[in-house]
Amino acid sequence: QSALTQPASVSGSPGQSITISCTGTSSDVGGYFLVSWYQHHPGTAPNLMIYDGSKRPSGVSTRFSGSKSGNTAYLTISGLQAEDEADYYCGSYAGYGTFLNWVFGGGTKLTVL
Amino acid sequence: QVQLVESGGNLVKPGGSLRLSCAASGFIFSDYYMSWIRQAPGKGLEWVSYISSVSTYTNYADSVKGRFTISRDNAKKSLYLQMNGLRDEDTAVYYCARVLTPADVFDIWGQGTMVTVSS
Repeated sequence: QSALTQPASVSGSPGQSITISCTGTSSDVGGYFLVSWYQHHPGTAPNLMIYDGSKRPSGVSTRFSGSKSGNTAYLTISGLQAEDEADYYCGSYAGYGTFLNWVFGGGTKLTVL
Repeated sequence: QVQLVESGGNLVKPGGSLRLSCAASGFIFSDYYMSWIRQAPGKGLEWVSYISSVSTYTNYADSVKGRFTISRDNAKKSLYLQMNGLRDEDTAVYYCARVLTPADVFDIWGQGTMVTVSS
């Protein structure tokens, strides 16, 4: 499986909204409703922010939302805050039957100006 | 408190072996599939391997197939990754993660353990 494609970096000012894209193929992003997004502050454990394309785990701010169109998934963060500055990774299920496997994006560094 | 703690990372020469461990706490370990995911320096995340709840099923990324073996001991609430024939490109932080089904996502991660393969 090839890695999913994400922009290397995005930036925004506090209070603004940003969107990060994640492009795959019909074998992963386009083939399943199983896209997830992870927030990662280097040196710490990654945090699940979005799963099933648009669902938020308990405790994740409603400022984070996910969507998908065809082979591309999107993470939108509204009302940017300083603590949102982190690396963001998309992931997609890409397996079949009992041969589960996953593919991730290369990561997007979010800078809050 | 739900927690995963990895250990066993180290500096090893090419061709060498290493065994990583992941200790789970705060949840019923035997109910969950588990996985290993790695991040090479300056690179993105790469899924490495998964194991089903009672070890019936496993799978590996092509990059490690035939060299790495995932296993678990539910009585000890521990996950393992035996890595043989290590290569420079295996240098990475290795994370263990809990698999949340049926969403098939990684809902709990450890903080990672560093593996460096270098002569």
